[in-house]
Order: sequence, then structure tokens, then C-alpha cells
Amino acid sequence: EIVLTQSPGTLSLSPGERATLSCRASQSVSSSNLAWYQQIPGQAPRLLISGASSRATGIPDRFSGSGSGTDFTLTISRLEPEDFAVYYCQQYGNSPIFTFGPGTKVDIK
Amino acid sequence: QVQLVESGGGLVEPGGSLRLSCAASGVTFSDYYMSWIRQAPGKGLEWVSYISSSAGTIYYADSVKGRFTISRDTAKNSLYLQMNSLRAEDTAVYYCARGRAGGYFDLWGRGTLVTVSS
Repeated sequence: EIVLTQSPGTLSLSPGERATLSCRASQSVSSSNLAWYQQIPGQAPRLLISGASSRATGIPDRFSGSGSGTDFTLTISRLEPEDFAVYYCQQYGNSPIFTFGPGTKVDIK
Repeated sequence: QVQLVESGGGLVEPGGSLRLSCAASGVTFSDYYMSWIRQAPGKGLEWVSYISSSAGTIYYADSVKGRFTISRDTAKNSLYLQMNSLRAEDTAVYYCARGRAGGYFDLWGRGTLVTVSS
């Protein structure tokens, strides 16, 4: 079973700052099978990134994804007020076929 | 408008049953695999079940195997989750989500809350 670990648990930043979120897998994950989601409290998750680095439709270019193997990163280049949320990474593989990381909360400093 | 709308949640006693539904609109439902994903209060996301576009392949998380049954009705553009032998730890918002090649979910419903309590 592949376990995803996200760090930090909480990231306290100010608008305009750069956010760097980490997702580490217990075993190598195919880059094509790694995604990132944003969840604002009270709302459903929203797909940001698929295939480790491809932005979903309508996602601003301040969001970028990178990484391979066991280490993946989501970067928000300049935080906007609407970006303060919880971010989850997710992988697709063997049983269980879909796993999510525990999430990183980005809150306002 | 492309959307997924869940229904059927509510309060149920431990050991009871519920059937969740997810209605798809504005999308060719039969082209996609679908999943149910849940989120316990204040917790993260947990994948629950998967059904292929043809309904020929089905998977469950170990936590629900033998108790939950996923199904779909292409004619009704709908996805279902039959939940039996419910436990307190099944309390969560249940989302249906559309799956894409590469194993990600690009369309989510707003969720339906299931509360298991006496």
C-alpha cells in the first residue's frame, strides 16, 4: 500500500508570498498518476493539477506542480486571498487504488 | 451545466442502511469511471469505491468491503452507493466524483452528509 505524507501540516503565509507544499510517497509513484486538489471549507475538492504538473482547466498559472518518484511539490507563486485552503495530493496505483495525503492547510499569517 | 448532485444522506442508527444517489447532468455519463469518496468531519479525504465505465470492474476500500455496494444506471445517468451495516466511523460527507485516465477526479458533486448515530 502506498502511503502519502504531506508537509507541512499547516503553512502560515501572507498574501503575495510563495507557498511550497510537499507530498512524499512511501513507494515510487508514476508521475502520470499524481494529482493535487484544493478544498475550501464547506466546498467540494477542486482538481488543480494532474499528471504531477498539468494544470486543470481554468486553474491560474500561479499554481504549478513538479516532482517524480517519491517526491512531489505544489507551488503557489503568489498567494491570493482565495488560495487560503487545504491542499491534498492523491495517487492512483495498486490496492487501494486511490489514496490521498492527509492535506496541508494554508492559512493567513 | 456539467454537474454531479448527490442525495440520500441522513441520520441512521448503527447497523442500519442507506442508499446514496448521484445524478449526472451535462455530461456523457457512460464515458467515465466513477468513484465515491468520503470525508469524516474535520478529517481528510478517503476513497471508498470505484466502478468502471461499463460497470465491469468494481473496487472497494477495505474499510467498506462487504458492507457497501456501488452501481450505476447509464439510462438514468446515475451512480449509487448502497450502504449496509453502517457504523459510527462511516459518518462523513460522501462525494461522487468523475474519474479520468491517469487516476484523477476532475468533477465532484457537493456531497451528501451521512450521520451514523443512535
